[in-house]
Amino acid sequence: DAKTTQPNSMESNEEEPVHLPCNHSTISGTDYIHWYRQLPSQGPEYVIHGLTSNVNNRMASLAIAEDRKSSTLILHRATLRDAAVYYCILRAGNQFYFGTGTSLTVIP
Amino acid sequence: GAVVSQHPSRVICKSGTSVKIECRSLDFQATTMFWYRQFPKQSLMLMATSNEGSKATYEQGVEKDKFLINHASLTLSTLTVTSAHPEDSSFYICSARRQGGGGNTIYFGEGSWLTVV
Repeated sequence: DAKTTQPNSMESNEEEPVHLPCNHSTISGTDYIHWYRQLPSQGPEYVIHGLTSNVNNRMASLAIAEDRKSSTLILHRATLRDAAVYYCILRAGNQFYFGTGTSLTVIP
Repeated sequence: GAVVSQHPSRVICKSGTSVKIECRSLDFQATTMFWYRQFPKQSLMLMATSNEGSKATYEQGVEKDKFLINHASLTLSTLTVTSAHPEDSSFYICSARRQGGGGNTIYFGEGSWLTVV
C-alpha cells in the first residue's frame, strides 16, 4: 500500500493561512493525491485531489512537489470551522487507505 | 457535490443480535462502495470493498461471515453485523466511488454509530 506521513497535529490562528504537509515518497506514477477532512462523529469530507499540477477549488489549494513525493494542502484563511483531522491519501488501486492524519486546531 | 447517505445514524442492539446499516448514493451510481470502521480517536480502517452484483472483497483480518455485505443495486450497499458483541461497537462509515473527474473521487456517508449492549 502506498503510505503517507503527516504530522500528528498542527495549530493555526484564525484568519491566517495554514499549510498542511504530507510526505508520500513511495508514490507511483498513476497515484492521485487526495485530501479529506473529518469532523468529530462525522464521515470524512472531500477536500481536493490532484495528480501532478497544483489544484485550486473553493475549499483549498493543493501544491504538489515536482517529484510528487510530497504535497501541501493550503487553507488560505483558517476559520474555526476548519478545525478537523485532515487526511492525505494515495489511491492504491481501487481502495483508499487512511493514515493517521493531522489534527488541526484553529485558535480564535 | 455527490451525496452518500447512511441509515441509521445511531443504533443500539443487544449482544447476539444482528443489525443492518444501509449506504446509499443519492445522486450518482456507484459500482463500488467501501465500508470502514473507526474506533474513538483512531483513523478509519478499511473493512471491505463492495462491488455491485458480485461478492465483496474483505481486508485481511475482517470476518466475512460476521460482517455481511450486500451490494444489490448501483445505489445501495448494506452491511449486516451478525451476532453482534460489545467489541463490535464502533463508528461504521461507508463510501462510494464516483467515476470520472480524474482520480475516481470517493464520497463518504455520515457514519453510523453502533453500540452493542
